[in-house]
Amino acid sequence: DTEVTQTPKHLVMGMTNKKSLKCEQHMGHRAMYWYKQKAKKPPELMFVYSYEKLSINESVPSRFSPECPNSSLLNLHLHALQPEDSALYLCASSQDASRLGDGYTFGSGTRLTVV
Amino acid sequence: GENVEQHPSTLSVQEGDSAVIKCTYSDSASNYFPWYKQELGKRPQLIIDIRSNVGEKKDQRIAVTLNKTAKHFSLHITETQPEDSAVYFCAAPQRGAGTALIFGKGTTLSVSS
Repeated sequence: DTEVTQTPKHLVMGMTNKKSLKCEQHMGHRAMYWYKQKAKKPPELMFVYSYEKLSINESVPSRFSPECPNSSLLNLHLHALQPEDSALYLCASSQDASRLGDGYTFGSGTRLTVV
Repeated sequence: GENVEQHPSTLSVQEGDSAVIKCTYSDSASNYFPWYKQELGKRPQLIIDIRSNVGEKKDQRIAVTLNKTAKHFSLHITETQPEDSAVYFCAAPQRGAGTALIFGKGTTLSVSS
């Protein structure tokens, strides 16, 4: 298995809803990432998990809450989002958590719309 | 932190022509430079990468060159085809962020037949 799987592919949620995005990889990668990508913009780093521990939080608002239950899974819990949070949320993984080896493998993303 | 500048933002070529996209970085300690291709509505996909101990790397029609002194690296696509049309992003390690990458603003490449 050489893929990063993200679910759901599309999500529409209201500003008072609570939802979660899921990401799964079975490549034995030890680093996992959440990126946010707006239309016609590059991916922007949100969180980095190294060996299942949160190592980087790029000043992301607390309405986004990451979780890494085990080495294969990464969640992003969403609560009280704003319309401007609508974007493509990309999960990625890389093999080595201390040194970039073969680059990232990206999931296909969750397209989130906040209404 | 690291800053990655990418040029041009758009590039239009005729099928069969070559395309060159250039990125500059600010952190002289950066040692890994990947390029990603993102087609409309799809995920970014790694197409080629280079480490700081190498000056050039080729993979069929795609090549990447690195100039450590000038702190820039370039993507070269030869014999372009319509299916090369996409957004291309360069990236470099984000300083102080372990294995995290920071991306350039992207280049929209259009190849017309």
